[in-house]
Amino acid sequence: KAGVTQTPRYLIKTRGQQVTLSCSPISGHRSVSWYQQTPGQGLQFLFEYFSETQRNKGNFPGRFSGRQFSNSRSEMNVSTLELGDSALYLCASSLEGGSGANVLTFGAGSRLTVL
Amino acid sequence: GENVEQHPSTLSVQEGDSAVIKCTYSDSASNYFPWYKQELGKGPQLIIDIRSNVGEKKDQRIAVTLNKTAKHFSLHITETQPEDSAVYFCAAAFYNQGGKLIFGQGTELSVKP
Repeated sequence: KAGVTQTPRYLIKTRGQQVTLSCSPISGHRSVSWYQQTPGQGLQFLFEYFSETQRNKGNFPGRFSGRQFSNSRSEMNVSTLELGDSALYLCASSLEGGSGANVLTFGAGSRLTVL
Repeated sequence: GENVEQHPSTLSVQEGDSAVIKCTYSDSASNYFPWYKQELGKGPQLIIDIRSNVGEKKDQRIAVTLNKTAKHFSLHITETQPEDSAVYFCAAAFYNQGGKLIFGQGTELSVKP
């Protein structure tokens, strides 16, 4: 069974640009969550999508957005990039509801560097 | 607000010794407590989890204990091996709140051969 796939793995952008990251969940998983990981702040919850709808949202500015497609694949977008957006962006998928709802399987992440 | 404190931030042990990592959480409504292990260049991997109706759970060399009254939970690794070296994260969540986990700051565990 394939795991969570994130693309691209590494990218470099400059301030003011925008970036789109992609995540393919484990087959059968309908929930996709995004996290930002930085040395100073640790793992911070960005948002969660389920059935193409945002179900939960963290405390990030509106420059951070996401969406989910009918095949459960998800993308997140960061506009007007700032130096502080440099981070590892992690995607995680989980089953719908029940005891599996909180059990997250993470991808390897997309390492974003903003210059 | 929701918060998870994790200690220590770094831990160095000799191979074969035990390692203990402790976390406290602020939201008394939390009822799901997973532990993740993150190796260099990889995403976090779930190693064990516990729900609030259970006080202790074991899986081979790892165990987790939960004290709901004190809002405190711990990870115990026995007979540590060099391959246990990694960063460990605790987290807390409200059951059925889907993918929203509140993570601790992480503990870098180093097991010296």
